[in-house]
Amino acid sequence: AQSVSQHNHHVILSEAASLELGCNYSYGGTVNLFWYVQYPGQHLQLLLKYFSGDPLVKGIKGFEAEFIKSKFSFNLRKPSVQWSDTAEYFCAVISGGGADGLTFGKGTHLIIQP
Amino acid sequence: NAGVTQTPKFQVLKTGQSMTLQCAQDMNHEYMSWYRQDPGMGLRLIHYSVGAGITDQGEVPNGYNVSRSTTEDFPLRLLSAAPSQTSVYFCASSRPGLGAGELFFGEGSRLTVL
Repeated sequence: AQSVSQHNHHVILSEAASLELGCNYSYGGTVNLFWYVQYPGQHLQLLLKYFSGDPLVKGIKGFEAEFIKSKFSFNLRKPSVQWSDTAEYFCAVISGGGADGLTFGKGTHLIIQP
Repeated sequence: NAGVTQTPKFQVLKTGQSMTLQCAQDMNHEYMSWYRQDPGMGLRLIHYSVGAGITDQGEVPNGYNVSRSTTEDFPLRLLSAAPSQTSVYFCASSRPGLGAGELFFGEGSRLTVL
């Protein structure tokens, strides 16, 4: 079974700081990787995704993530965070045809202080 | 487009009561799934379906039933509610194949079991 590990459960940053959230997955085969974001009081929405090709993927709101196959990692980055980035961030993985659903990490609660 | 619609948004039950969380999507997605979200646990898959008439268990299926009689609807039934089922429940839909990990979520149903 696949699993996802997010290293930081809570992160507090000041505005304009750089962000990197760690994500590692355990499945050894072909995977598709995702980052989802949940703003306070809202449902989850897709931030970015990796299927194949360029391991550096860009998402909405200036976020990007790098897939490093040798490290089984898919870290999320943003050069300069804003107060509106306060949210919970989930890394997720799906394998094969995707029929057995997405496996999520436990999430990282990010707080940006103005 | 309404997307994924969940009802009710809030529900309080007594231990032993039964209820059904409704989920409907209007995007003609083949895949649908139910997750529960608990603090520090991320999202855990309860049940999923790859098409009408086909359902399967996820990571935490005990105490829940599902059915998929149509493409649009995927209700989640709590047979005999327990306090451990206090959670926020999210229904999601997606396309098959490469689209399987791009989940479209409902707004969630917050359930409290006393």
